[in-house]
Amino acid sequence: QLQLQESGPGLVKPSETLSLTCTVSGGSISSSSYYWGWIRQPPGKGLEWIGNIYYSGSTYYNPSLKSRVTISVDTSKTQFSLKLSSVTAADTAVYYCARLSHGDYVDYWGQGTLVTVSS
Amino acid sequence: DIQMTQSPSTLSPSVGDRVTITCRASQSIGNWLAWYQQKPGKAPKLLIYKASNLESGVPVRFSGSGSGTEFTLTISSLQPDDFATYYCQQYNSSFGQGTRLEIK
Repeated sequence: QLQLQESGPGLVKPSETLSLTCTVSGGSISSSSYYWGWIRQPPGKGLEWIGNIYYSGSTYYNPSLKSRVTISVDTSKTQFSLKLSSVTAADTAVYYCARLSHGDYVDYWGQGTLVTVSS
Repeated sequence: DIQMTQSPSTLSPSVGDRVTITCRASQSIGNWLAWYQQKPGKAPKLLIYKASNLESGVPVRFSGSGSGTEFTLTISSLQPDDFATYYCQQYNSSFGQGTRLEIK
């Protein structure tokens, strides 16, 4: 059974860089059928797609976040990572990592991790 | 950017009711649309992909239809476990703002 697990600091200071890692287990991160992505949800609000990556390293980002986002993949560790720079309180959210079937829809989600931006 | 708009934002149906949620895209997206269900404190769950395909294990009371710019998610007979928030998503991109089903 595929599992995705987010990890990283739960508290980040304003203007710093948020860094999260998603560890994939029970399946191959190098499968040609899937992309791997990040989605966030501010407390009490809706879902926002951040971006995704293919095992080869090709990426696709939400245009509204593109200038601040970097997603990378480490196939040897079966992990992919998110970096979001210059964070503000508006970046406080539950961050989910996810698998995208054929790069289209999310068929597996991590449990999510709350990241709070505060001094 | 293509915008996804759901309606209504909130519904208060009763158990056994037929429920329909609408999702509109600001421009045609073919049938590249998915529907998800989310319960409080949990990750969303895939219900429907490619506008009308039921994900494995999802009860058949859920169905999806539409193409182009207008899509619907229908629950044929609402069950207590279905009270949740539902989101549409253009593939690999923006989500609708959500429709919350709350107990009347």
